[in-house]
Amino acid sequence: SQTIHQWPATLVQPVGSPLSLECTVEGTSNPNLYWYRQAAGRGLQLLFYSVGIGQISSEVPQNLSASRPQDRQFILSSKKLLLSDSGFYLCAWSETGNSPLHFGNGTRLTVT
Amino acid sequence: SQQGEEDPQALSIQEGENATMNCSYKTSINNLQWYRQNSGRGLVHLILIRSNEREKHSGRLRVTLDTSKKSSSLLITASRAADTASYFCATDRVGQAGTALIFGKGTTLSVSS
Repeated sequence: SQTIHQWPATLVQPVGSPLSLECTVEGTSNPNLYWYRQAAGRGLQLLFYSVGIGQISSEVPQNLSASRPQDRQFILSSKKLLLSDSGFYLCAWSETGNSPLHFGNGTRLTVT
Repeated sequence: SQQGEEDPQALSIQEGENATMNCSYKTSINNLQWYRQNSGRGLVHLILIRSNEREKHSGRLRVTLDTSKKSSSLLITASRAADTASYFCATDRVGQAGTALIFGKGTTLSVSS
């Protein structure tokens, strides 16, 4: 069966520090991969999605970036965090763009 | 940008009552999906309804879709305390780089015993 791993579960980082969040999927090949962010009490904001290795679509360019170095690995990065980057980051995968999404357990990021 | 908008934002009911949540969207879709999120967790897929379907059932869940009104509703019958969660609708958006799901802001459901 397919599983998705996302880590760390919580992270507290100072303003201006770098960020790296990792997500891996097991049990499937060539999945669509997604990064969403959820502010407190708000809906999900699509940040990046990828339909294949090296193919990244950016919805919110700002100071975040994403990479897909391997088929089932999706990384969210920032060179310098802002206070506004605080939130709940969710990685998800799907078989196709119209298929149901399978979410990881999320990373709670607090930028201080 | 947000495609779907849920209504109401919050809903409080007693166990055994039915809960109805609505979703409106702006552009044409291939399908609409509903998800559930327990506090502090990832979202869990509940049900998918295609644009050529009008109604779909799954256990105590009933989803309707009216493409002419660009709206959908999720009905949870005989609610339980364990149904307490946030519920989101999501619609597909086709872009140059592929298709992605866009979520609404959600409805927070509280079921008290």
